[in-house]
Amino acid sequence: DAGVIQSPRHEVTEMGQEVTLRCKPISGHNSLFWYRQTMMRGLELLIYFNNNVPIDDSGMPEDRFSAKMPNASFSTLKIQPSEPRDSAVYFCASSSTLYGYTFGSGTRLTVV
Amino acid sequence: TQLLEQSPQFLSIQEGENLTVYCNSSSVFSSLQWYRQEPGEGPVLLVTVVTGGEVKKLKRLTFQFGDARKDSSLHITAAQPGDTGLYLCAVAYSGAGSYQLTFGKGTKLSVIP
Repeated sequence: DAGVIQSPRHEVTEMGQEVTLRCKPISGHNSLFWYRQTMMRGLELLIYFNNNVPIDDSGMPEDRFSAKMPNASFSTLKIQPSEPRDSAVYFCASSSTLYGYTFGSGTRLTVV
Repeated sequence: TQLLEQSPQFLSIQEGENLTVYCNSSSVFSSLQWYRQEPGEGPVLLVTVVTGGEVKKLKRLTFQFGDARKDSSLHITAAQPGDTGLYLCAVAYSGAGSYQLTFGKGTKLSVIP
């Protein structure tokens, strides 16, 4: 299995632009999680899906952030408009059990 | 207030030394996980502990869950440069049909050759 695949690995964009991060979970995993990692705040859960349905989006910072999971093999996290304070590493993880979290390699986002 | 407090925040040691890092909380948990994150990569699960007092070994790494299931420690014997990374502890909260993990901020370990 190729693991959890995220794209792009790096994204540099100007403030105000729309950013879309992509994730392909491990086949057969029914839960998908989006996390954000910064030095100050560590790893923070933004939103998670179970069987493609958003369960808890209380970690999403504000309305500029949105996430979708149109099918079991694809999810997106969109930021519109982006701001410099959104700069961070964004991780996607998938799981089929409590003990089976697998993370992708992350997308490093820089908003200038 | 952070749910999980990890200490120390940073640790730099020489190859061959032993070390212990800690994960503490005032809450009781049914299980706790340890992850290692290498630069430029996502966290990778090392171990899950579920029973108070449980000890698990993974080669030179020894994990212990506190008797009261509020804390955990990770001990590394004869550290190697390959042990360098960010060590994160995490606990699970149940939601509707799934679980979500909450992480500590981690201990950043550097092992100098």
